[in-house]
Amino acid sequence: DQQVKQNSPSLSVQEGRISILNCDYTNSMFDYFLWYKKYPAEGPTFLISISSIKDKNEDGRFTVFLNKSAKHLSLHIVPSQPGDSAVYFCAASRGNQFYFGTGTSLTVIP
Amino acid sequence: ETGVTQTPRHLVMGMTNKKSLKCEQHLGHNAMYWYKQSAKKPLELMFVYNFKEQTENNSVPSRFSPECPNSSHLFLHLHTLQPEDSALYLCASSQSDWAGEQFFGPGTRLTVL
Repeated sequence: DQQVKQNSPSLSVQEGRISILNCDYTNSMFDYFLWYKKYPAEGPTFLISISSIKDKNEDGRFTVFLNKSAKHLSLHIVPSQPGDSAVYFCAASRGNQFYFGTGTSLTVIP
Repeated sequence: ETGVTQTPRHLVMGMTNKKSLKCEQHLGHNAMYWYKQSAKKPLELMFVYNFKEQTENNSVPSRFSPECPNSSHLFLHLHTLQPEDSALYLCASSQSDWAGEQFFGPGTRLTVL
């Protein structure tokens, strides 16, 4: 039973446009939500996180939005760049327990 | 070496073999993790160590045996594995006082024949 779901396995976006990656979760007790980025043959790299007490966190081109009532979070990348092409994982944590989604493969087309 | 390193990067073993995966972190973190990533499945947390003490064991079969001799090193001892154990095994570390941001190693691609 997956507690974190990413329903879109892939997404293609034109360079310069906005990329929106979505994630849904089932457990309302999660403390933090995180996004990781993964290139082939590398481990995931932390991108941005948000505490469950906030609804938005911004870091440069990356913004994460949290909608607790809908149990939904999203990652916005604007403007998208070709170097952003990677697999993006969302994760949720409670204490030392982490739950990851299956990932969304983002392709930014030059 | 910087960050989190894992050796070997690739491993092929038979079901009767015994092997070990090694993870080392150079970040001064106090918590270390083992994850399994199978094809088309999410990362599954296997074990968590905090200050060398195991704090989480997510119903992992006993053919996987973790060892954490100090805060910088983590091992995963493997014996009598099954073909369905073939996967990417990722190690991660974090500051124990905030488990939010984890730093991952590149993983070991394990194939069990």
